[in-house]
Amino acid sequence: GAGVSQTPSNKVTEKGKYVELRCDPISGHTALYWYRQSLGQGPEFLIYFQGTGAADDSGLPNDRFFAVRPEGSVSTLKIQRTERGDSAVYLCASSQGPATSTDTQYFGPGTRLTVL
Amino acid sequence: AQSVAQPEDQVNVAEGNPLTVKCTYSVSGNPYLFWYVQYPNRGLQFLLKYITGDNLVKGSYGFEAEFNKSQTSFHLKKPSALVSDSALYFCAVRDMRGNDMRFGAGTRLTVKP
Repeated sequence: GAGVSQTPSNKVTEKGKYVELRCDPISGHTALYWYRQSLGQGPEFLIYFQGTGAADDSGLPNDRFFAVRPEGSVSTLKIQRTERGDSAVYLCASSQGPATSTDTQYFGPGTRLTVL
Repeated sequence: AQSVAQPEDQVNVAEGNPLTVKCTYSVSGNPYLFWYVQYPNRGLQFLLKYITGDNLVKGSYGFEAEFNKSQTSFHLKKPSALVSDSALYFCAVRDMRGNDMRFGAGTRLTVKP
């Protein structure tokens, strides 16, 4: 497709469960970003991939959160032992050049995660 | 670390009137500044950005923003608001060396007919 896609659009899980959120960036974009948006807030940076490697994971809140991008395209954000405080919209973005370039980040529609 | 402030949670304007959504920033060095719009149940859509050069930046849907270095501001403007402009607007900043973009808390714009 032409834009960033994310699946699922909604995910409801129970406290303590494991979840995976998927992001498919714009074709040819080398940089991929994950953000988390809580209700009433702006997006908060989680992690940035340049190619296959996590170039900056300084925004991950704790070691329950992990992300991969094994082939430099699709990325999966993984959350272990989910907690109610993890409930938020998880946004993915991609850009053509690296994060330090002036390239625009284009966002997907997000995955709304609800932890009961 | 860089940061952004959007001092107004809500802005209300009448259709046809000019609108301004305010943003101030803090960053070491030269900033990269962005405006995004978010419609209900949709992702953020890019409107415009300031990198360097002319302080007045023109973007999508008739929006523009003015970079003011002395006031560290990057206010979003439109000469004549439409009802369809009603949405949540986010300002964001990144410094030249950093990887992460910092967003403000957002301003909800309501344009009334």
